[in-house]
Amino acid sequence: EAGVVQSPRYKIIEKKQPVAFWCNPISGHNTLYWYRQNLGQGPELLIRYENEEAVDDSQLPKDRFSAERLKGVDSTLKIQPAELGDSAVYLCASSYRTDNSPLHFGNGTRLTVT
Amino acid sequence: GQQLNQSPQSMFIQEGEDVSMNCTSSSIFNTWLWYKQDPGEGPVLLIALYKAGELTSNGRLTAQFGITRKDSFLNISASIPSDVGIYFCAGRDSGSARQLTFGSGTQLTVLP
Repeated sequence: EAGVVQSPRYKIIEKKQPVAFWCNPISGHNTLYWYRQNLGQGPELLIRYENEEAVDDSQLPKDRFSAERLKGVDSTLKIQPAELGDSAVYLCASSYRTDNSPLHFGNGTRLTVT
Repeated sequence: GQQLNQSPQSMFIQEGEDVSMNCTSSSIFNTWLWYKQDPGEGPVLLIALYKAGELTSNGRLTAQFGITRKDSFLNISASIPSDVGIYFCAGRDSGSARQLTFGSGTQLTVLP
């Protein structure tokens, strides 16, 4: 089966500019996650979707970050405006909607804000 | 919130040696997952554990779900150069949030 697909792989922008990341989960996976991974650290959850509903966005900085999963399949994560501290790898993951279903990750988008 | 302590932070071992790493949490988990991440890639699932005391192997890898449900370890036997990478533990709590929390990773270097 095809894995989680993310694009772009790399993005370099100047601060205050907008940026968007796209994710297509594994077919059949109801749950989609966006994680941020800073250098030398583990991934940290930004938002979790069950189908098209955002069920956990408590860690999403809502002043500048937004996400959508309109049809319950692919998803976009946007930052506007970007800040220097947003430089990180943004990982998308998906799973079946069961308590024990493991997460499968994409290769991430490495964002550099200059 | 939940906290995961993963140790050691880094390890340098000789090819052929065994290695062990572990994670402890401040709360009870009902799932433990172990991932490996290579440079420029996303984490790849190695082993999933779902019951306290469970011991599961995947080739040269063995992981256990601690009896207290607050810890887990991963062992790699007879290490080889391709074992190099960052290993992450992740745990899911038993509450309604079902949030998956990651450790800070163990950087493994295998010396020839």
